[in-house]
Amino acid sequence: EAGVAQSPRYKIIEKRQSVAFWCNPISGHATLYWYQQILGQGPKLLIQFQNNGVVDDSQLPKDRFSAERLKGVDSTLKIQPAKLEDSAVYLCASSLESGALYGYTFGSGTRLTVV
Amino acid sequence: AQSVSQHNHHVILSEAASLELGCNYSYGGTVNLFWYVQYPGQHLQLLLKYFSGDPLVKGIKGFEAEFIKSKFSFNLRKPSVQWSDTAEYFCAVKGSGANNLFFGTGTRLTVIP
Repeated sequence: EAGVAQSPRYKIIEKRQSVAFWCNPISGHATLYWYQQILGQGPKLLIQFQNNGVVDDSQLPKDRFSAERLKGVDSTLKIQPAKLEDSAVYLCASSLESGALYGYTFGSGTRLTVV
Repeated sequence: AQSVSQHNHHVILSEAASLELGCNYSYGGTVNLFWYVQYPGQHLQLLLKYFSGDPLVKGIKGFEAEFIKSKFSFNLRKPSVQWSDTAEYFCAVKGSGANNLFFGTGTRLTVIP
C-alpha cells in the first residue's frame, strides 16, 4: 500500500514568515496526527484528527499554528509567523482508528529550518 | 499524565554484540507499548507492540521486548546486532484513557562493523 505522503521534504524560511506543510494519509485511515520532532527529542503530538474533526489539539500553539483536514482526507499544517524555535521535523502519521491498535504509519516528514 | 524515559541517549556496539535498550514509562492505568525505529534518512517504522497477553513480544528483524509491569518497563533486546541496525529507536506508550502515542526522547544506536 502507498505510505503517508508529505511535502515538502525540506523548507528554509526566515523568522516571522509563514509556511505550510501538506500530508496525504493512507487511504481509508480515519485518524491523522501531526507531530513535531525537535532535534534530540522524541516526536511530540501537535494535533489529532478523526475524519475531519479535531480530537486533541491541546499541545498546538494556537497563536501561530493552525491545521485543517477538510473532507477528512489530506491535511495542512500552517505556521504564521514562524519563530526560530519552530525549527524541527514535522511528522504526519495516520492510523485506521483512534485506538492505534495497529500502530501509526508515519510519513518521511518535513524538515523546517527557521533562520 | 503519561511519560516515557529512555535513559540511553547513544549506544555504540560492535557487530554480533547483544543489545538491550531501556524504556520506562509512567502511567497509572492500562498501557499499550510500542517500539519504533528510524533508519538514517527514513521515516519512523513500527518494530513491535504490546497490548496484552504474553509479556515477551517478538517484532521484526529479530528484535523482542519484554513488558515488566512491576517495573513499568518495556526494554528492547536483540541477541546479535548487525551494522544495518544502526538507527534511532523510540519507545512509545499509549495509556488506556489517551487518544494518541507519547514518545520517549529516543536512543541512537551505532553498530560498528
